[in-house]
Amino acid sequence: NAGVTQTPKFQVLKTGQSMTLQCAQDMNHEYMSWYRQDPGMGLRLIHYSVGAGITDQGEVPNGYNVSRSTTEDFPLRLLSAAPSQTSVYFCASSTTANNQPQHFGDGTRLSIL
Amino acid sequence: AQSVTQPDIHITVSEGASLELRCNYSYGATPYLFWYVQSPGQGLQLLLKYFSGDTLVQGIKGFEAEFKRSQSSFNLRKPSVHWSDAAEYFCAVGAAGFNKFYFGSGTKLNVKP
Repeated sequence: NAGVTQTPKFQVLKTGQSMTLQCAQDMNHEYMSWYRQDPGMGLRLIHYSVGAGITDQGEVPNGYNVSRSTTEDFPLRLLSAAPSQTSVYFCASSTTANNQPQHFGDGTRLSIL
Repeated sequence: AQSVTQPDIHITVSEGASLELRCNYSYGATPYLFWYVQSPGQGLQLLLKYFSGDTLVQGIKGFEAEFKRSQSSFNLRKPSVHWSDAAEYFCAVGAAGFNKFYFGSGTKLNVKP
């Protein structure tokens, strides 16, 4: 059982480049979310989805887009990368929204130069 | 406004000593509370969760946490710390009817031999 798979694990971008971080889960979870983790700030919610075709913004959505065309996949797009988006990004999923623990991927470490 | 506070950024304890990590939350609804652990370079792993019922909950790896509604706290405890417990610990809160989790900023635990 693969759980939540994030690709790539590491990426370096130049300012202004675009990129998509991939997230896939094989547990048939309805709820998926993206967080960024920065030192001393814990995890901050970027976007989340409660099912295919449904997405919504979290605490820090600016500069990021998401879509949910299938239950399994929830990609995160950086349209024009900025140094402030240098962070570790985590994808998570759960069976329902807030009353079930989330399963986390291993993260994508992204550096914007 | 919803928030989770972990007042201790770093804690160092000796192996075999007891441990308590503090977590205070501010949430307008009945909270669902979680503790996660993150080893370096890894994603987050669930230690334990509280939804309702007994306010003392047991988790994996010998951890427990106590929910105190009057103090808006959900502190994590372990009677005897092992060197392998060195990691970063995150408290998180969600609530029925809401689709967002909120995480604390984390507490890094160091274990002295």
